[in-house]
Amino acid sequence: NAGVTQTPKFQVLKTGQSMTLQCAQDMNHNSMYWYRQDPGMGLRLIYYSASEGTTDKGEVPNGYNVSRLNKREFSLRLESAAPSQTSVYFCASSGQGAWEKLFFGSGTQLSVL
Amino acid sequence: GQQVMQIPQYQHVQEGEDFTTYCNSSTTLSNIQWYKQRPGGHPVFLIQLVKSGEVKKQKRLTFQFGEAKKNSSLHITATQTTDVGTYFCAGQGQAGTALIFGKGTTLSVSS
Repeated sequence: NAGVTQTPKFQVLKTGQSMTLQCAQDMNHNSMYWYRQDPGMGLRLIYYSASEGTTDKGEVPNGYNVSRLNKREFSLRLESAAPSQTSVYFCASSGQGAWEKLFFGSGTQLSVL
Repeated sequence: GQQVMQIPQYQHVQEGEDFTTYCNSSTTLSNIQWYKQRPGGHPVFLIQLVKSGEVKKQKRLTFQFGEAKKNSSLHITATQTTDVGTYFCAGQGQAGTALIFGKGTTLSVSS
């Protein structure tokens, strides 16, 4: 099993460019999440999807959009990238129980110049 | 909104010394989880605590959940260089809501 797969691993954008981060899981999990990690800030939740067809805002949703394409895939889109969005982005998934552990992808390191 | 605070932010120890990180929530939690992130890696689940006053052990690691279910701790006995990394606690309020992570404690170990 691959678990949670994120693409790309690295990306450099210019301010104002757009891009989509892709995430797929093969564990038949209901819930999927996007976090960003910045030095000294821990992991902050951007958006999550508790089940196919639903999405909800997390702590820091501004500047981002998400799409739960199907049960396997959850993408994160930056419509107009800003330097403040330079970060490491992690996708995660969890099973359908009420209290489930998260499985993380390997991350995407994004730099916005 | 729910906040999860974790201290200390950094800790350096000599190999063989003990290490503890503490986690406090602004609200009562349904459960708390602990994750470890090795340098350059992604967070990996360590353990989940659900019951008030619960204590769980994994070899040299001891995890506690407070009686009021608002605080937790991770204690490592006799640290080894393999313990290096950042330890995160993550709290969940009501069932089905998203986990909120603390800022993490970064542990460095010198031999």
